[in-house]
Parts: sequence; structure tokens; C-alpha cells
Amino acid sequence: RKEVEQDPGPFNVPEGATVAFNCTYSNSASQSFFWYRQDCRKEPKLLMSVYSSGNEDGRFTAQLNRASQYISLLIRDSKLSDSATYLCVVLSGNTGKLIFGQGTTLQVKP
Amino acid sequence: GAGVSQSPSNKVTEKGKDVELRCDPISGHTALYWYRQSLGQGLEFLIYFQGNSAPDKSGLPSDRFSAERTGGSVSTLTIQRTQQEDSAVYLCASSSVETQYFGPGTRLLVL
Repeated sequence: RKEVEQDPGPFNVPEGATVAFNCTYSNSASQSFFWYRQDCRKEPKLLMSVYSSGNEDGRFTAQLNRASQYISLLIRDSKLSDSATYLCVVLSGNTGKLIFGQGTTLQVKP
Repeated sequence: GAGVSQSPSNKVTEKGKDVELRCDPISGHTALYWYRQSLGQGLEFLIYFQGNSAPDKSGLPSDRFSAERTGGSVSTLTIQRTQQEDSAVYLCASSSVETQYFGPGTRLLVL
């Protein structure tokens, strides 16, 4: 089983839609959690960190459920420019290494 | 800028040749990672450095791949006797505490 798992999608949604991605992790010792965004033929870039209390940045909301070991990302009022691959990232508590999921692809259509 | 830089940005080589890829991390970042990404695929972890030591080499696909880091800074990834399946984008990233910053990658094409 992979340490970090995501549904690869693609998720095809119309502009203005709300879309949610989930990610599960297997190591309960994981310490920190992040969402990265990767555009086509570009390197991944940090989108937001994920805190236990949940956090919001504009149209983006990230939540962490430690008991169930999953992380979510909610995007409201989707824009065409949100089309990208969203990577779930977990900091391993054992190794101090960042572990990436395979990514979820989002296509926002007009 | 002061971001992660990689060189060369593109490399075309013939099967069987050796290649060396370079990564200059952000100054002061102790952790350095190498990943590989084939077209349309996810990130494939290769190796992780903490300072000059490599506590995790588990992702290196074969003994043709090696990496080193000197002075806790620059890292080189060497691929010996390249094969066509080595063609991919090789991404380097560095981090301080938690957040990881990626370089633009080296696009390797093995003919």
C-alpha cells in the first residue's frame, strides 16, 4: 500500500463548481501535511499547508482528520485557471522525509 | 532569484552515455530531494539528502543511478549507461523545516 494515496481523477467540472479532493495516508506518525499544485510541464508549487483546525485561503479550504488519516482540499467557485494536478504531501514523522501522493487532476471547463 | 536552480535545463543524449545533472538548492536548506517524473505521471522519489548524508536512497531505480551532495549544498545526480526508459524530467527540491521548493527540472531525452 502506498504511504499517500489519492484518486488520480481526472475531475472534470464546469466553471463555478465546487470540487473536493481527498487523500489518505498510512503512517499515523506523520506530522505535517500540505497541498501542492502542479501545472502541465511545470514543477510543483506549494498551495497551502493543512492544519488540524482546518484552514482557508480564499476559495481554497484544507482539512485534516487525524483519526481517519485523511486530508481534504475543497475548491469553491472553480476558475479555468484552477486546472492543474493537485498533490497531497505528508511529512513522515519517522524519516523527516516529505512523501508525495500521485496527484489528482482537475480540469475546469467553460 | 534565490530559488532552486538546476542544470542543464534540457539534455539530449545517446543510449549508453553517462549524464550528470546538477542541483543548486536554496542557501541554508539542509534537506535536498531528487525526483523523476515521466510524461503524464506522478513524482517518483529517487533519493533524499539531509546535509551531506543520504538516509534514504530507496528510490534509485538501479545501480546505474547515483547521487552525491558536497558541502551540504550542491548535489549531482549521475546516470551511467543511460537507457531510453531513463527519459524523464528530473526534479530537485530543497527544504528548510517543512516546505519544499522545487527547481525547474532537467528534461532528459535518451535517444
